[in-house]
Amino acid sequence: KNQVEQSPQSLIILEGKNCTLQCNYTVSPFSNLRWYKQDTGRGPVSLTIMTFSENTKSNGRYTATLDADTKQSSLHITASQLSDSASYICVVKDYQLIWGAGTKLIIKP
Amino acid sequence: GAGVSQTPSNKVTEKGKYVELRCDPISGHTALYWYRQSLGQGPEFLIYFQGTGAADDSGLPNDRFFAVRPEGSVSTLKIQRTERGDSAVYLCASSPGQGARNEQFFGPGTRLTVL
Repeated sequence: KNQVEQSPQSLIILEGKNCTLQCNYTVSPFSNLRWYKQDTGRGPVSLTIMTFSENTKSNGRYTATLDADTKQSSLHITASQLSDSASYICVVKDYQLIWGAGTKLIIKP
Repeated sequence: GAGVSQTPSNKVTEKGKYVELRCDPISGHTALYWYRQSLGQGPEFLIYFQGTGAADDSGLPNDRFFAVRPEGSVSTLKIQRTERGDSAVYLCASSPGQGARNEQFFGPGTRLTVL
């Protein structure tokens, strides 16, 4: 069964600190992997899209990595800001999008 | 230009009633998606339109759910005989096409509460 699993389920860090969110998937065939940020009460917003051949992609303070061999991805957030508080969802595409449950990140001042 | 909009933002209804949820996609986007999201979960795919036709409706949970997009722009998700388990946020997204890298742009969602 195609699955996308994310860890941790939730995370609290202090403003200015770095953090890394994990995504493991069993989706096959693999088309691409996306990370979305979803603020409370809003729709998801795309951060990065990576295909099989891409190992790293950055978007400002967000850096996503992909290891297609081990079927793992991570999202690293550098110098966190209060506005980074949100759910971060990993999504893997085969013929359609398979969504993870997300990691709820809380940044404390 | 304007992003994806959804109306209403909140809908409270009684069990057994009929509801319609509306999605206005980004102008010119041919692909439109409906998702359902429960608290603490990622979005669950319901149905995808390419133009006016439903290209994939495999995510609709049962025949109480139906969606239309008659002119290839605005879409309406219709739920008959609502049940308490239908309570969720219903998200709509649109994209320029259905290519592998086509980004989906999401609306703010409609929060449906069935009492």
